[in-house]
Amino acid sequence: RKEVEQDPGPFNVPEGATVAFNCTYSNSASQSFFWYRQDCRKEPKLLMSVYSSGNEDGRFTAQLNRASQYISLLIRDSKLSDSATYLCVITGGSYIPTFGRGTSLIVHP
Amino acid sequence: DGGITQSPKYLFRKEGQNVTLSCEQNLNHDAMYWYRQDPGQGLRLIYYSQIVNDFQKGDIAEGYSVSREKKESFPLTVTSAQKNPTAFYLCASSIDPPATSGRALGDEQFFGPGTRLTVL
Repeated sequence: RKEVEQDPGPFNVPEGATVAFNCTYSNSASQSFFWYRQDCRKEPKLLMSVYSSGNEDGRFTAQLNRASQYISLLIRDSKLSDSATYLCVITGGSYIPTFGRGTSLIVHP
Repeated sequence: DGGITQSPKYLFRKEGQNVTLSCEQNLNHDAMYWYRQDPGQGLRLIYYSQIVNDFQKGDIAEGYSVSREKKESFPLTVTSAQKNPTAFYLCASSIDPPATSGRALGDEQFFGPGTRLTVL
């Protein structure tokens, strides 16, 4: 089992839809969790940190489920500009970040 | 403005040549990282450095070398020993890695714009 796994998609949704991605991890000692956004041929940029209590930033909600070892990202009211690849990043006991391969989101009119 | 820069943006190399990719940050970050990204793939860690004059191998260090003589700079050399060097190379930095900070949470990584290396 890979350390960090994501469904590569693509998730193809209409504007205004709600879409959710999950990212599973294998190391139960993982300590920190992030979602990054990467646009085509650009560098990743931090979207959200994921806290144990969950966190929300506008249309974006991130949650952590330690029991089942996954994090999630929910996007409400999708915009065309949300089209991108979403990478989960998890730091385990080694303290070195491990990236998922990313989930591609395409929002269409 | 503080940030992290990489140069060049595009680099072409003939087989058998070594090339060095530049990475500079003025964020006063302790930790710096080099990643490689292939099409449709996630980022794979090549090398990382938590402090000046110290660095560690990541998951795919073979065929690469680094140095960390200054806090601001972490250049990556792609040697002729790297079998398939064509890729997108990303440099990142973070304030303080969890291993030395003692904090439970890791810190956000800031990325440079990347260098696209093509071997001809």
